[in-house]
Amino acid sequence: DQQVKQNSPSLSVQEGRISILNCDYTNSMFDYFLWYKKYPAEGPTFLISISSIKDKNEDGRFTVFLNKSAKHLSLHIVPSQPGDSAVYFCAASAWGAQKLVFGQGTRLTINP
Amino acid sequence: DVKVTQSSRYLVKRTGEKVFLECVQDMDHENMFWYRQDPGLGLRLIYFSYDVKMKEKGDIPEGYSVSREKKERFSLILESASTNQTSMYLCASSDRARNSYEQYFGPGTRLTVT
Repeated sequence: DQQVKQNSPSLSVQEGRISILNCDYTNSMFDYFLWYKKYPAEGPTFLISISSIKDKNEDGRFTVFLNKSAKHLSLHIVPSQPGDSAVYFCAASAWGAQKLVFGQGTRLTINP
Repeated sequence: DVKVTQSSRYLVKRTGEKVFLECVQDMDHENMFWYRQDPGLGLRLIYFSYDVKMKEKGDIPEGYSVSREKKERFSLILESASTNQTSMYLCASSDRARNSYEQYFGPGTRLTVT
């Protein structure tokens, strides 16, 4: 039972445009969400997070939006840069759970 | 800066061999995790540990065991390696005392079982 789903295995975006990565979840106990970025042959690195008490969190070019009623979150990257090409994982946790549930990942390719 | 290191970047083992994957973190984190990453399946939790000598099964513990004798070190053991355990193995740690959700990952070990 996949509790966190990223339905797009890949996404291709022109440099300078907006990249939008999507994530859906089924467990209503999840109250904290994170995005990780992974380059080949490296471990994932934390990018940005959001608590369920918020619906938006920004950090530079990265913004995460949370729609609790739809159990959906999205990561917006604007403007997209070639260095953003990587696999992006969405993750979720319930309060106090101490562990994360990850989605399948979306491979983002930024074309020059 | 948190550093999580893994003993090998690449490993090739034969079917039936016992395999040890080692992970060390230097930030005094209580929580440590082992995941495997496979295409289309994302990161799946194998085992995690929230204290020395404590462990809990994750989503896919079959065929694996773990050991945590010291706070900084968490080992993943494949008792008898099989070809379906060929994968990328990732270790992570997080700060339980701060109830931090953020996990810090090592570079991964690409294991091939032939």
